[in-house]
Amino acid sequence: DAGVTQSPTHLIKTRGQQVTLRCSPKSGHDTVSWYQQALGQGPQFIFQYYEEEERQRGNFPDRFSGHQFPNYSSELNVNALLLGDSALYLCASSFPPGAANTGELFFGEGSRLTVL
Amino acid sequence: GQNIDQPTEMTATEGAIVQINCTYQTSGFNGLFWYQQHAGEAPTFLSYNVLDGLEEKGRFSSFLSRSKGYSYLLLKELQMKDSASYLCALPITGGGNKLTFGTGTQLKVEL
Repeated sequence: DAGVTQSPTHLIKTRGQQVTLRCSPKSGHDTVSWYQQALGQGPQFIFQYYEEEERQRGNFPDRFSGHQFPNYSSELNVNALLLGDSALYLCASSFPPGAANTGELFFGEGSRLTVL
Repeated sequence: GQNIDQPTEMTATEGAIVQINCTYQTSGFNGLFWYQQHAGEAPTFLSYNVLDGLEEKGRFSSFLSRSKGYSYLLLKELQMKDSASYLCALPITGGGNKLTFGTGTQLKVEL
């Protein structure tokens, strides 16, 4: 049973560039959320996708956008990169919102983005 | 809004017991989660409490007091592999499987 997979694992960009990160959810899950984790901090919720739509968004600017595909995989795009965007970007999958479950999230290993 | 407070760092000895505290403020309580995150790895689910009291799961137990806005994670018979960050988290208001995380408590287990 494949867990949550993310790519790439590491990448380096320069200020002003754009980046795309990819995520495949755990088998059987159709809801994908993205989190940003700065060094020494807990993960911060960016947004969630379900049925190919953005369902809720955290406190992140419009430079952060996403997409979900019919096979439930997802992309996170960040435009006009800033030094402060350097972080570990985590993808988490789960069962649909409102399902009778505890809400447990399954995380991928993350994509570590360094902005120079 | 939601606010979560937990100690930044703790150190304990192998074989001992350690308690990691978490205090929180939220409107509309919908349970509290604990996750474990080893350095460079993904967070993994440890426990979920929605009712007051202690939930035991092997060497790990989690306690919740809703009236006090307080939870703790209890780790018994500490092992070196328990060295990790322990994250306290609340479901984000609005439903769905989205969490607000605390900053995490970095636990170091020493010989």
